[in-house]
Amino acid sequence: KAGVTQTPRYLIKTRGQQVTLSCSPISGHRSVSWYQQTPGQGLQFLFEYFSETQRNKGNFPGRFSGRQFSNSRSEMNVSTLELGDSALYLCASSLGGPLELETQYFGPGTRLLVL
Amino acid sequence: GENVEQHPSTLSVQEGDSAVIKCTYSDSASNYFPWYKQELGKRPQLIIDIRSNVGEKKDQRIAVTLNKTAKHFSLHITETQPEDSAVYFCAASRGRGGGSNYKLTFGKGTLLTVNP
Repeated sequence: KAGVTQTPRYLIKTRGQQVTLSCSPISGHRSVSWYQQTPGQGLQFLFEYFSETQRNKGNFPGRFSGRQFSNSRSEMNVSTLELGDSALYLCASSLGGPLELETQYFGPGTRLLVL
Repeated sequence: GENVEQHPSTLSVQEGDSAVIKCTYSDSASNYFPWYKQELGKRPQLIIDIRSNVGEKKDQRIAVTLNKTAKHFSLHITETQPEDSAVYFCAASRGRGGGSNYKLTFGKGTLLTVNP
């Protein structure tokens, strides 16, 4: 099976702009989680989507939003970009079924630089 | 919410030595503890995980131990090789349970350098 893919891999934006990142999960996986990775804060959970619904949310401002499509692909949007949003954005997919504990598989990430 | 502390932040060992990375967690309801390895410029890759119903799990040169009473878990790598050099992250989560709290909380990472 193909792994988790993310596009684009690199992005450069300026403050105040908005950005949309895309994640395609492993075939058959219905849950997509998003994480922000920075040197100072490490890996921080943004949100999880399952069956086109946000199921879980981290402690990020409302400028960070997402959605999921019927084919389980997910997008993440960041509006009014700030310098501090520069980071590696990782998505991870899992089956998302009734199993209590699931392995999450990560994509390669999108590296966002805000100037 | 959950808080995961990871130590040390950097670890340098000689090839062939063992390496141990330790994590503590705060949420006593956490019951899943994966470890990820992230090489420079690459995605985090799961290397081993442990569920709360076992105290130890091994996979070749890698082992993880869990002490639920003390709320800590450790990664042990034996016979280290230069290709083991990477950043290692521990994480903790609850199960889906009621469905609302399934997320991974990560430690800040350990940069492991294996010197030839």
